[in-house]
Amino acid sequence: EAQVTQNPRYLITVTGKKLTVTCSQNMNHEYMSWYRQDPGLGLRQIYYSMNVEVTDKGDVPEGYKVSRKEKRNFPLILESPSPNQTSLYFCASSPLYQETQYFGPGTRLLVL
Amino acid sequence: LAKTTQPISMDSYEGQEVNITCSHNNIATNDYITWYQQFPSQGPRFIIQGYKTKVTNEVASLFIPADRKSSTLSLPRVSLSDTAVYYCLVGVILTGGGNKLTFGTGTQLKVEL
Repeated sequence: EAQVTQNPRYLITVTGKKLTVTCSQNMNHEYMSWYRQDPGLGLRQIYYSMNVEVTDKGDVPEGYKVSRKEKRNFPLILESPSPNQTSLYFCASSPLYQETQYFGPGTRLLVL
Repeated sequence: LAKTTQPISMDSYEGQEVNITCSHNNIATNDYITWYQQFPSQGPRFIIQGYKTKVTNEVASLFIPADRKSSTLSLPRVSLSDTAVYYCLVGVILTGGGNKLTFGTGTQLKVEL
């Protein structure tokens, strides 16, 4: 089944404890992206990747890192999480920039 | 960066046609306009995409004027199951050059009997 998977789906952590949210797609898509969604603020892009080894900042990159070492995976790294990073995170992929994006199920993160 | 704006909410009744408009003054010349639907605690799901004029598929129509600074998603004969948040997604021109995909502010559609 063609899909985007994220892990974990739910995570509670404490301030400063490094964490990684994984994202994987099995559709051979070039473009991948991370978004965060907060009440009243809609979907905001954190980072995106046009293809392997090429990543760029979105609207809200502060406090996040990404890597795209292989086409199928695009992990989101929070080196030192803070409470203001408590949010719902979505990973998405598409064949190319601007084509239909397929979203993962979301990861709900709570930073205490 | 100019925001891509939508009405915050809309109410409708089953069987009616609903039109949701997105304003995107900074749309990039070669970029498409895409609309997504999102239910609570789920990722957005693709509805329709277009570049100019009108596009229609089995669930919606998309109207884009010649200047492309706005777009209207039309949902014919809505039902209760269409209650969701609707987002437009466009490529916008960046101040320093280049362009980037940006979601609109989202419209909460509520359909009642």
